[in-house]
Amino acid sequence: GQNIDQPTEMTATEGAIVQINCTYQTSGFNGLFWYQQHAGEAPTFLSYNVLDGLEEKGRFSSFLSRSKGYSYLLLKELQMKDSASYLCAVRDGGFKTIFGAGTRLFVKA
Amino acid sequence: ETGVTQTPRHLVMGMTNKKSLKCEQHLGHNAMYWYKQSAKKPLELMFVYSLEERVENNSVPSRFSPECPNSSHLFLHLHTLQPEDSALYLCASSARDRDLSTDTQYFGPGTRLTVL
Repeated sequence: GQNIDQPTEMTATEGAIVQINCTYQTSGFNGLFWYQQHAGEAPTFLSYNVLDGLEEKGRFSSFLSRSKGYSYLLLKELQMKDSASYLCAVRDGGFKTIFGAGTRLFVKA
Repeated sequence: ETGVTQTPRHLVMGMTNKKSLKCEQHLGHNAMYWYKQSAKKPLELMFVYSLEERVENNSVPSRFSPECPNSSHLFLHLHTLQPEDSALYLCASSARDRDLSTDTQYFGPGTRLTVL
């Protein structure tokens, strides 16, 4: 079956670095997305990886290893406003996007 | 603002009511989606419309009925819902093509539905 796993919750300190991991098992692969979702708001697009390696975008970076079925989202210089849920999503071989349950990140002062 | 709007933002309804959720996208996209988001569960894809034709339906109960009159508007008609249908209903749109585009989905703010 199709499965995406990510930690349920994480806590980190303002100014620090945090890495949110995601592992997936899907029937085929056509890209991996990371979304940010603040409580009561819509998910917003953060990053997209389809090839192995690291994609950097400001304070956020996303890494992909297709052979390991693994990705991580790296957040640097954490700010209080980064407290949110982070959703890992994989587009499978049929171009259907499957979402993980999300990781709730708490940033403390 | 993501360019995708949803109304109403909150809805409380009884099990015998009929209501509709509305979604509108201003991004020029050609695909629209309905998702259900329950607490601590992954987003569940309910329906996909691409080029105004329904192309996917994940065995959603018939008490949910989608309608897509054109590429900018999407509705979800609700009737005789159950309390377990209470959730956040999210609409999304994307520029879907067959040439391995990113097909990034842009979400609306959602409708918080409570079924009594």
